[in-house]
Amino acid sequence: RKEVEQDPGPFNVPEGATVAFNCTYSNSASQSFFWYRQDCRKEPKLLMSVYSSGNEDGRFTAQLNRASQYISLLIRDSKLSDSATYLCVVNAKAAGNKLTFGGGTRVLVKP
Amino acid sequence: GAGVSQSPRYKVAKRGQDVALRCDPISGHVSLFWYQQALGQGPEFLTYFQNEAQLDKSGLPSDRFFAERPEGSVSTLKIQRTQQEDSAVYLCASSLDPGLLAKNIQYFGAGTRLSVL
Repeated sequence: RKEVEQDPGPFNVPEGATVAFNCTYSNSASQSFFWYRQDCRKEPKLLMSVYSSGNEDGRFTAQLNRASQYISLLIRDSKLSDSATYLCVVNAKAAGNKLTFGGGTRVLVKP
Repeated sequence: GAGVSQSPRYKVAKRGQDVALRCDPISGHVSLFWYQQALGQGPEFLTYFQNEAQLDKSGLPSDRFFAERPEGSVSTLKIQRTQQEDSAVYLCASSLDPGLLAKNIQYFGAGTRLSVL
């Protein structure tokens, strides 16, 4: 079983709609959580960190559920430019600064 | 430069050849990471440097993989006797401070796409 698991998608989303997806992690000692965005044939870029109380950045909302060991990302009012692969990323204190990535969830926003 | 620079962008190697991939991190960044990303997968950790010290090499898949950062800036990932399964994108990332991870964003280079024939 992979340490960080994501639904690979694709999630086909009409422009303007809301989409949400989760990621589960297996290491209960995980302490830091992130969502990265990766466009086709490009490098991953940090979208947002995920805090225990949940946090919002514009149209993007991230939630953390430590009891069930999952994090979620919700995108409101989807734009064509939101089409990308969203990578769930986890760090455990014992792992130092090493990041563990999920396989990514592909989102396609269509007009 | 403004970001993490990697070269070459593309590398085609015949099976059995040795390759060297270069990473030039953001100036002043203490931490440097190498990741391997297979097609359709997320990046997987290979190794981590803090300045010139290689603190974690637990992700290197075999002893054919070797990384160095002799002066604490530029890093080279070397793969000896390449195999077809080594075909992947090799990503380098750097971060400013090995302190609090939550404030220690990793910035990625565009990667080197290695194809072993």
